[in-house]
Formats: sequence, C-alpha cells, structure tokens
Amino acid sequence: AIQLTQSPSSLSASVGDRVTITCRASQGISSALAWYQQKPGKAPKLLIYDASSLESGVPSRFSGSGSGTDFTLTISSLQPEDFATYYCQQFNSYPLDRLTFGGGTKVEIK
Amino acid sequence: QVTLRESGPALVKPTQTLTLTCTFSGFSLSTSGMCVSWIRQPPGKALEWLALIDWDDDKYYSTSLKTRLTISKDTSKNQVVLTMTNMDPVDTATYYCARIPSGDYAMLDYWGQGTLVTVSS
Repeated sequence: AIQLTQSPSSLSASVGDRVTITCRASQGISSALAWYQQKPGKAPKLLIYDASSLESGVPSRFSGSGSGTDFTLTISSLQPEDFATYYCQQFNSYPLDRLTFGGGTKVEIK
Repeated sequence: QVTLRESGPALVKPTQTLTLTCTFSGFSLSTSGMCVSWIRQPPGKALEWLALIDWDDDKYYSTSLKTRLTISKDTSKNQVVLTMTNMDPVDTATYYCARIPSGDYAMLDYWGQGTLVTVSS
C-alpha cells in the first residue's frame, strides 16, 4: 500500500505568516494527490486536487505543488479562518488501498 | 446541488455488525466514472479510508479491514451501503461518505456531515 507521510504533524503560526506543509508518498503517484482542510466537528473540505489545481471557491492564498513522491501545500498569508487540520490524500490504480490519507497537520495559533 | 447523508445506529455492541447507509442526491452513481467512498475518523485521530464503489459496481477495500467490510449500491435509491462485521470499541469513529466525481481527477469533492458510531457494551 502507498503510504503518505505528512510533516510537520503540528505547527504554530501567526496571522499573516506563510505556512508550508509537506506530504511524501512511499512511491511515485504522479500528480494524483489532493489536500483537505478540516475544522473541529466538521467534514473535510477539498482545497487542492491533481496536486496543484485549486478547487472552485477556495481562496487563492492556498496553493499546491509537487509530483511523484514529494508534495507541498502552501498558505501564502495565514488568515484566522485557516486554523485547522490539513490532510493529503492519494489515489492509485491498485486493487487494494486505492486511496489513503496522510496523518494530518494541525495548524494552531501562535 | 450535490448532497450526501450518512445514517445508521449511533451505538453498537462489540461483535455486532454495523450497517451504514449513504443517501445522496444531485448526481447518479450510474454515470461513468462516478464513485462513492467511505472514510472514518476515530475521535481526535486522522482520517482512514475504508472502501469505494464505482459506477460499474467495482469495489475496493482497505487492506487492513477488507475481511470485515462489504460495500454495495442501490442506484435506483441513490444509496450506498457499508457493512462492517465484528465491531470492536476501536471502531468507534465518525463515519463519512463522500463522492469521487467522474473525470480525470480522483478527489473527494462532496462529503456527508458524518455519523458518530460508538462501540460499547
């Protein structure tokens, strides 16, 4: 199964900071990676798909990059509503474990 | 407007079988490329993918839970059902269903609100 390792697992940042979260796949997945934001008590929300495509309605301060095994989610200027947990997710063509999530990165207020 | 809603028991006893239903609207699971997936999240923990069913009735499971899971669909009712056998307290979690749209990109673009299932005697 393809495993996704996110780092850091948590971070503290201030409003206006630039924040970068990384996601490493245990084997190459081309660009089949998505990013989600989850707030407490809520379902995850899709931010980025195909590694770098911004989902409709998502603010442009969110961006994604990478391909193969190394991926990055960047928030260019952290806003109060961005404090949340972020997950990466991959999709592959294997018969089992078609889809896996990273362990999450919690972004907290500094 | 795409919506998904999970339903099922809030409390199950250890060793029992859990049956969850995802009722959706705004899309058809008979559309080529469309999929519905189940994901769970234990309290305070990360998301865990469980299973997926596609428009062609192909089914895919998590390796670690494959022997306990069954996913099925009723296209006429716009429902996807997940059963999980031999429930254990460690299966206590919020269970979500989500859509993977047809097209070139495999992402979960719409999610249900989730349903909390507690496993306790």
